[in-house]
Amino acid sequence: QVQLVESGGGVVQPGRSLRLSCAASGFTFSSYGMHWVRQAPGKGLEWVAVISYDGSNKYYADSVKGRFTISRDNSKNTLYLQMNSLRAEDTAVYYCAKDWAIMDVWGKGTTVTVSS
Amino acid sequence: QSALTQPASVSGSPGQSITISCTGTSSDVGSYNLVSWYQQHPGKAPKLMIYEVSKRPSGVSNRFSGSKSGNTASLTISGLQAEDEADYYCCSYAGSSTFPHWVFGGGTKLTVL
Repeated sequence: QVQLVESGGGVVQPGRSLRLSCAASGFTFSSYGMHWVRQAPGKGLEWVAVISYDGSNKYYADSVKGRFTISRDNSKNTLYLQMNSLRAEDTAVYYCAKDWAIMDVWGKGTTVTVSS
Repeated sequence: QSALTQPASVSGSPGQSITISCTGTSSDVGSYNLVSWYQQHPGKAPKLMIYEVSKRPSGVSNRFSGSKSGNTASLTISGLQAEDEADYYCCSYAGSSTFPHWVFGGGTKLTVL
């Protein structure tokens, strides 16, 4: 079945970096755009970034532009989110979601805590 | 990139119908038929319930329906059941060809009385 599994979360100090991964299975990963969406503790969902099926197009929310980089390795069926210059307000559960237009399948998320 | 506006909470009794609104602008909800609705139970990942304003994914109950008028989208749940109690989020495409982006609503907590 279609499955997305995030990993790479943890506790990190402000200003440091972290890379999240999202392993995809059960569908042709290379045919779909992919998103990262986050949810701060007790808050709503916030769109973070999207990447096209072939990695040629990438777009970001203003809140992360210049600090986060979305990428993918279609040979490994894996999506990535490189997060640099982390801030306390980046603390959240990070989800990956499939499909450029409708985010139809979501992973269970990985938790990132930015704290000194 | 302003969030879409949803009521913070709605409630209804089992068997009743409720509607959750999602108000955006002419730059997002009003311009595109790319509005989705997600259900999220506590501690769980969001689940797609409605896409492209009114389409239901396979496996989603036909008690869930979506619509749009102008800058406002709506999710209606008929025949409320206890398991419908959850948070609901709308999402709309809000971008242009040069800057695609998406925006979520703040979420609505549905309580089944």
